[in-house]
Amino acid sequence: GAVVSQHPSWVICKSGTSVKIECRSLDFQATTMFWYRQFPKQSLMLMATSNEGSKATYEQGVEKDKFLINHASLTLSTLTVTSAHPEDSSFYICSARRTGTRSGNTIYFGEGSWLTVV
Amino acid sequence: LAKTTQPISMDSYEGQEVNITCSHNNIATNDYITWYQQFPSQGPRFIIQGYKTKVTNEVASLFIPADRKSSTLSLPRVSLSDTAVYYCLVGDPEYNQGGKLIFGQGTELSVKP
Repeated sequence: GAVVSQHPSWVICKSGTSVKIECRSLDFQATTMFWYRQFPKQSLMLMATSNEGSKATYEQGVEKDKFLINHASLTLSTLTVTSAHPEDSSFYICSARRTGTRSGNTIYFGEGSWLTVV
Repeated sequence: LAKTTQPISMDSYEGQEVNITCSHNNIATNDYITWYQQFPSQGPRFIIQGYKTKVTNEVASLFIPADRKSSTLSLPRVSLSDTAVYYCLVGDPEYNQGGKLIFGQGTELSVKP
C-alpha cells in the first residue's frame, strides 16, 4: 500500500534553534499534505495544509512564521519549527492525499516525529 | 465539518466483540464516515469507511443506520494488539475537504487478557 514517511522519527534540539521535519510520499504524488501536532493523551490537532507550489494554509491560532511549511515537490513537504521552545515539544504527524481517487484510504499518515526541545 | 461524539474510553477482554458508537447529528449529504486507529507514537491508520448501511472488511465492520446520524465500528474477537485509540471522522474525502481531517477526542480502547 501507499506509504508516507517522516524523518526524523525523533529529534532533540536546544531552545532557540530551528529544526526541520520531512514528510515524503514514497510511491504516489501528493499535491496536498497536512501537518498535525499531538500532545500526550490528546487528539491530533491540524496545524496547516501544505500545497505543492503555493503557500501553506494555516489553521487559526497557528503561527505561520514559527512553523514554516515548504512543499517544493509532489512528494515532499517540510515543516520547520523556528526558534523552538520547550512548549513546542510534541509529536508531529503529516498526512498526504493521494489524488485521483475517492475513498477514505486515499489519505495516508506518516509515522510521526517526536520533537523534544531542551 | 460535522462534529462527532464518541465515548472517551472502553474496556474489553480478549475474544470479545467490541462496538464503538459515534454520533454525528449534523452529517451532510456528501459526507462519508471514516474510522482510524492509532497506536502510541504512531500515525493514525485507516480502518474502514462507509456511507450508509453496512460495510465490512478484513478487520472490522461499520454499521450506519438509515438516518446516518450515528455509526458503529464493530471489532470482532479483539486481541491485546487492538488496544489503541479509535477515531471517528465525518466528511467528504474528495470534495470539500480534499483530505483535511479534523480529529475529535477518540475512544481509547483497552483490551485485557
